[in-house]
Amino acid sequence: DAMVIQNPRYQVTQFGKPVTLSCSQTLNHNVMYWYQQKSSQAPKLLFHYYDKDFNNEADTPDNFQSRRPNTSFCFLDIRSPGLGDAAMYLCATSRDRGGKETQYFGPGTRLLVL
Amino acid sequence: GQNIDQPTEMTATEGAIVQINCTYQTSGFNGLFWYQQHAGEAPTFLSYNVLDGLEEKGRFSSFLSRSKGYSYLLLKELQMKDSASYLCAVREFNNYQLIWGAGTKLIIKP
Repeated sequence: DAMVIQNPRYQVTQFGKPVTLSCSQTLNHNVMYWYQQKSSQAPKLLFHYYDKDFNNEADTPDNFQSRRPNTSFCFLDIRSPGLGDAAMYLCATSRDRGGKETQYFGPGTRLLVL
Repeated sequence: GQNIDQPTEMTATEGAIVQINCTYQTSGFNGLFWYQQHAGEAPTFLSYNVLDGLEEKGRFSSFLSRSKGYSYLLLKELQMKDSASYLCAVREFNNYQLIWGAGTKLIIKP
């Protein structure tokens, strides 16, 4: 089945220790997104790739970076995690942007910062 | 500015019908999505509305009124597995990103 995969499902890191979350997709979609979601809150878009074109949201902290080495994979790097970065990180894909294009989500990685 | 409002929490009984409302204020409108999110899991797509009216998909229906900035998700014949959060998201015209509501937590009681 075509899907969006995220690893790991749970990640524990120490305050200030860099961490990388990964996402892969077998849907062959052009667009990949990273969202941060805290408990009982709306998902917050951090950035997205439209093919190789990186699009950062204006309010995404510099502490968050992303890489998309090929169509299938996308990584979220948190350079110096703080306690406030503990959240669920959701990767999503869509065939294109805008209109009725549906976003398909992976199962998420729950990040705990000690 | 942009704003999506949904009730924080609702409770309903197994087998009953529940309506979850969503009101929005955005700069232009280019579609509204409903997603279901079980606790600790990713959102999954339920429905998309861009024109006024009712879209029916099995036990779930979604309604849109663009003039009122209003949508609802109607769930019929409720099952225990419908216990989840339901998120409303709006796409603005000439903007690729979705504006998300915080979700409505639906609790189903036997």
